[in-house]
Parts: sequence; structure tokens; C-alpha cells
Amino acid sequence: GQNIDQPTEMTATEGAIVQINCTYQTSGFNGLFWYQQHAGEAPTFLSYNVLDGLEEKGRFSSFLSRSKGYSYLLLKELQMKDSASYLCAVPLTGGGNKLTFGTGTQLKVEL
Amino acid sequence: GAGVSQSPSNKVTEKGKDVELRCDPISGHTALYWYRQSLGQGLEFLIYFQGNSAPDKSGLPSDRFSAERTGGSVSTLTIQRTQQEDSAVYLCASSFPGAPGAFFGQGTRLTVV
Repeated sequence: GQNIDQPTEMTATEGAIVQINCTYQTSGFNGLFWYQQHAGEAPTFLSYNVLDGLEEKGRFSSFLSRSKGYSYLLLKELQMKDSASYLCAVPLTGGGNKLTFGTGTQLKVEL
Repeated sequence: GAGVSQSPSNKVTEKGKDVELRCDPISGHTALYWYRQSLGQGLEFLIYFQGNSAPDKSGLPSDRFSAERTGGSVSTLTIQRTQQEDSAVYLCASSFPGAPGAFFGQGTRLTVV
């Protein structure tokens, strides 16, 4: 089965950098996803990592280490609008976008 | 439409009643997923449709839950004899097959009283 662990809450300052960690256990690895969800809104896809290393996409980067069962999402130059829940997810058996999600990390960006 | 559309956005129903939730995916997306999100819980996979293949129902929590997808497009999730524990936000997502990352709708907030 799959198990995902991520911190419940984090607080950071506008303009700073924050790293949101995710550890996972899966019976077979088929990639790791990060989604962003603002309160009351739909989750939006941020990134997908299937190989080890860092993938950069603008202010957001995602890192994966398959041997350690570990990923992180790095947010640079934080803005107030980045206050949201960040969801780590891995595919269930059957793959694709059939996912099991962590409970999410609620990020609060303060002035 | 430009995005995944779900209706109704909110639904309050009495315990024991049946409800139908609708999802209109992005045009051309052959993969369609239903999830639910309960307060304080992660998104929970319910069911997956891919083209004309038989749906993957492995996430449905009980036989009171069922879903259809007509003509490979619009999908309806039906919950029979609703219970209070069914209260949650039901989210629909769609994608191209094999493409990582799905597009989610705004969800239907179901409250069973």
C-alpha cells in the first residue's frame, strides 16, 4: 500500500524561501506529484517527478530521492498568494492520475 | 468549456435520500476521476474512467456509491441512501491518458443532515 507523510502546517515570511517535505512508502514507484490548493478552491497541478533530482519551474522547484522515499517542494521569493495547502501524492496501482494524497501542508505566508 | 465543470456546487440532503453529482470534463480528456475530500482528510480516490474501458471502481467506499460516464464525456456520481459520513467535497478531475497531472473541478460540497 501507499503511505504519505508531510507536515501539517508551516509559516514563512514574504520574500523568503520555504521547503515543504514529503516522505512516502509505496509498493511500486510511478512518480510523485505536488498540487496546490487554495482554501475553497480546486487543487492545481504543480509538478511531477519520476527521476531523482531537482526539477525547477519558475519560483517552484521539486526534488525527488527514490532511494530515500523523499521529496520536497521548494518555493522561492514567497508571495502572499502562495498561502495555500500543498499536497504530495503518489499513484495508486493502475497509475496515471489515480492518486493517493497526503493530508497536505498548510502554508501561511506572513509580511 | 475551458475547465472541468461540476454541479451543483453545494448540495444539502436529508439522511437516506439519494443524490446525483455531475461532472463535465475538459473536452478531449478521455480520463476522468472522482475524488472526495473530507474535513481534515486528504483527497480520497473513488473511481476512474478511461475512454470506453470498464471503470476502475476500486476506491468506492460502499455499494451505495456508483458512477456512470455517458458517451465518454459527462459523468454522474450517485450516492444512494446518504449517510452523515458521506458529507464531503466531491471533486472531479480529467486528463489526457498518460499525461501527468489532472485538472480538477471546483467540487460539489455535499452536506447530509
